[in-house]
Amino acid sequence: DAGVIQSPRHEVTEMGQEVTLRCKPISGHNSLFWYRQTMMRGLELLIYFNNNVPIDDSGMPEDRFSAKMPNASFSTLKIQPSEPRDSAVYFCASSLYGGSQPQHFGDGTRLSIL
Amino acid sequence: GQQVMQIPQYQHVQEGEDFTTYCNSSTTLSNIQWYKQRPGGHPVFLIQLVKSGEVKKQKRLTFQFGEAKKNSSLHITATQTTDVGTYFCAETDSWGKLQFGAGTQVVVTP
Repeated sequence: DAGVIQSPRHEVTEMGQEVTLRCKPISGHNSLFWYRQTMMRGLELLIYFNNNVPIDDSGMPEDRFSAKMPNASFSTLKIQPSEPRDSAVYFCASSLYGGSQPQHFGDGTRLSIL
Repeated sequence: GQQVMQIPQYQHVQEGEDFTTYCNSSTTLSNIQWYKQRPGGHPVFLIQLVKSGEVKKQKRLTFQFGEAKKNSSLHITATQTTDVGTYFCAETDSWGKLQFGAGTQVVVTP
């Protein structure tokens, strides 16, 4: 079975550029989560969707960050303009809807903003 | 929001030894999940605990949920080099949102 698929795996870009991270959840999963992981702040939830609808985006750090889920099999996280402090590993995870479902994480995108 | 605290932050273990990592909350937890993240990898779900006093085992790993549902522990016996990684506990809410602890980073010395 295919797991959560994220692309790209690595991204290096210059400050000010637009960055788009992509995620394909596990088929049949109706909850999708975007996380950011850094040494300083650990694993932070940025936003999550249920049935393609954003439920809680309180973790999105700034207006420079936006996320969409146009259909059940695709989501994007966009940073525009990017800044060096956005450098981190970004994970996408999916699960079946509900409070006790395990989350399945993708391999992550390692983002470096120069 | 509510936060789960994990201790210790780092754990150096000699291969073959046992160790325990703890997850604590100031309020009652509805349930707790444990994840493991290998170096350079992604978090992988290990187990979920729901009931007060629940104990679950996975080979050399023993997970426990406190009677008051305010703490949880992960005990690993006879540590192996494959146990290297960071172990996270996380509380879930009714939406499925996870609140992760800071994790315990485990280093195993052969």
